[in-house]
Amino acid sequence: EPEVTQTPSHQVTQMGQEVILRCVPISNHLYFYWYRQILGQKVEFLVSFYNNEISEKSEIFDDQFSVERPDGSNFTLKIRSTKLEDSAMYFCASGLGQEETQYFGPGTRLLVL
Amino acid sequence: EDQVTQSPEALRLQEGESSSLNCSYTVSGLRGLFWYRQDPGKGPEFLFTLYSAGEEKEKERLKATLTKKESFLHITAPKPEDSATYLCAVPPGFQKLVFGTGTRLLVSP
Repeated sequence: EPEVTQTPSHQVTQMGQEVILRCVPISNHLYFYWYRQILGQKVEFLVSFYNNEISEKSEIFDDQFSVERPDGSNFTLKIRSTKLEDSAMYFCASGLGQEETQYFGPGTRLLVL
Repeated sequence: EDQVTQSPEALRLQEGESSSLNCSYTVSGLRGLFWYRQDPGKGPEFLFTLYSAGEEKEKERLKATLTKKESFLHITAPKPEDSATYLCAVPPGFQKLVFGTGTRLLVSP
């Protein structure tokens, strides 16, 4: 059964450093998403991506964040200058259509020291 | 403003003791309500999508139902492996999902 994959599973970084989180969505899906979950809190939407551009983003997704689909299979989230409060689980998700079910990856646990 | 509220926050059941989890929502023009299961340190695993009031879906010991204001996840004769956090989510628009805080279910043998 096709699934969303994410790398790395864990990332530890120093405050102010850049990190890139990688995702391989399900191959025939057209909509791609990033969410995050701070420990003990809700899953929160960050950004959606369709047709090679951002289609919606939350207030959390400020200028420090960017997304890219560099090739036909990968989808990345870059945080330019990490802050302590960026520590969270980051989930990638993909879906066939904009109102269709979103399938989530296993997540990347990011710890900013 | 909360658009999705789940209750109870936590639920402890004995194996075989059936119960229900609740998800109430306030979005208008519902474009689907999604149930996910999340194990500790893992990503949400899709369970069900419901689109219209009166709709029901089943999978093994789980059955999800939808009304105009809420959804229920019924767990019949649960087993310890059903222990997880169950998340409910709705799309206020066309894309992003808004999640509830979840119900942590623990099923004891």
